[in-house]
Amino acid sequence: AQSVTQLDSHVSVSEGTPVLLRCNYSSSYSPSLFWYVQHPNKGLQLLLKYTSAATLVKGINGFEAEFKKSETSFHLTKPSAHMSDAAEYFCVVSDRNTDKLIFGTGTRLQVFP
Amino acid sequence: EAGVAQSPRYKIIEKRQSVAFWCNPISGHATLYWYQQILGQGPKLLIQFQNNGVVDDSQLPKDRFSAERLKGVDSTLKIQPAKLEDSAVYLCASSLGPSVLPYEQYFGPGTRLTVT
Repeated sequence: AQSVTQLDSHVSVSEGTPVLLRCNYSSSYSPSLFWYVQHPNKGLQLLLKYTSAATLVKGINGFEAEFKKSETSFHLTKPSAHMSDAAEYFCVVSDRNTDKLIFGTGTRLQVFP
Repeated sequence: EAGVAQSPRYKIIEKRQSVAFWCNPISGHATLYWYQQILGQGPKLLIQFQNNGVVDDSQLPKDRFSAERLKGVDSTLKIQPAKLEDSAVYLCASSLGPSVLPYEQYFGPGTRLTVT
């Protein structure tokens, strides 16, 4: 069975400092992996996706993630946090045959001025 | 292009009452999903439609939840009777279909249900 584990439920950073949100996955085959962001009272928005092409994936708003098969990880990073990055972030794995998405429990990112 | 539309955005009902949510997916998207997101958790798939047929409803509590997608376009999700534990955000999403690039689901803003 496929699953994702988000290693931190909360992450706090200062504006202008790097962001690291950690995600490990479990899959019996090469997975499709996603990061979604959810701002308060807003719908889920796709940040980036990995679908077996380049292992370093660039997304919107300066975010990127690196697929590391040896570590079964797909961590999300951003060089410099902005106040508008404060939100809930979900790491997601997809079953390619059914498109079923399995969400992690989420990481709440707080950004302090 | 217009996104996934959902209504209502908020709903408050008493336990044992019934409630219905509506979703209109992105035009041309064959696959439609309903998710339940309980506070503090990630969304959980309730049901997946491919056109107007059900692909996966293994997580749908069928004794009280029902969903339909007539004509393969918009969809309704109903709860009858509601329980306190049904308080959650109900998200609708759509995609082009299984194994169709770009493997992305597009989400609506959700309906926040409070059962008192």
